[in-house]
Amino acid sequence: SAVISQKPSRDICQRGTSLTIQCQVDSQVTMMFWYRQQPGQSLTLIATANQGSEATYESGFVIDKFPISRPNLTFSTLTVSNMSPEDSSIYLCSVVRGVGYTFGSGTRLTVV
Amino acid sequence: DAKTTQPPSMDCAEGRAANLPCNHSTISGNEYVYWYRQIHSQGPQYIIHGLKNNETNEMASLIITEDRKSSTLILPHATLRDTAVYYCIVRASLVFGKGTRLSVIA
Repeated sequence: SAVISQKPSRDICQRGTSLTIQCQVDSQVTMMFWYRQQPGQSLTLIATANQGSEATYESGFVIDKFPISRPNLTFSTLTVSNMSPEDSSIYLCSVVRGVGYTFGSGTRLTVV
Repeated sequence: DAKTTQPPSMDCAEGRAANLPCNHSTISGNEYVYWYRQIHSQGPQYIIHGLKNNETNEMASLIITEDRKSSTLILPHATLRDTAVYYCIVRASLVFGKGTRLSVIA
């Protein structure tokens, strides 16, 4: 399975600011997925990022709030913009390669 | 998209088999069933997957009913480290339900 490095592992941010989360995969993958996990909840898919095209967002998520970059087949970033306390969550990237999905260790974001 | 339904929580005695059910009655013929688990504060970990036949690996066994509308994940000898939230998902949907919180009790 793929190895995913996700940074930062955690951060505490002021409301109104933005945070960019990086996801690096050890091999080329076509699609990368970004999930959010709010406290005590399950994972919710934010968007699917394909290299060379705009990300596809799920219902309830918009590009202005969660812009995504996918400059190559091994890297993606997710930005959480104009943050509010409601954005406090764990954000995870995921890829499919071989068997099933592989997830990064997540970024624990706290907005104060 | 196929959705899944799981009991919210289960307890299991250490050393006993843990049987975690999942209902996926709207699954289509070419969709695989995947099981993941999430130990506190970590990313989900792949456990096992299957299409029609029962599957076994070093972590668990997966029993899929003949009509494919439900499945059961079996941890044959649960340990305290198996305490986690277990998710059953249908790959094509990328949708995680609420999962089952398994507590293994000494």
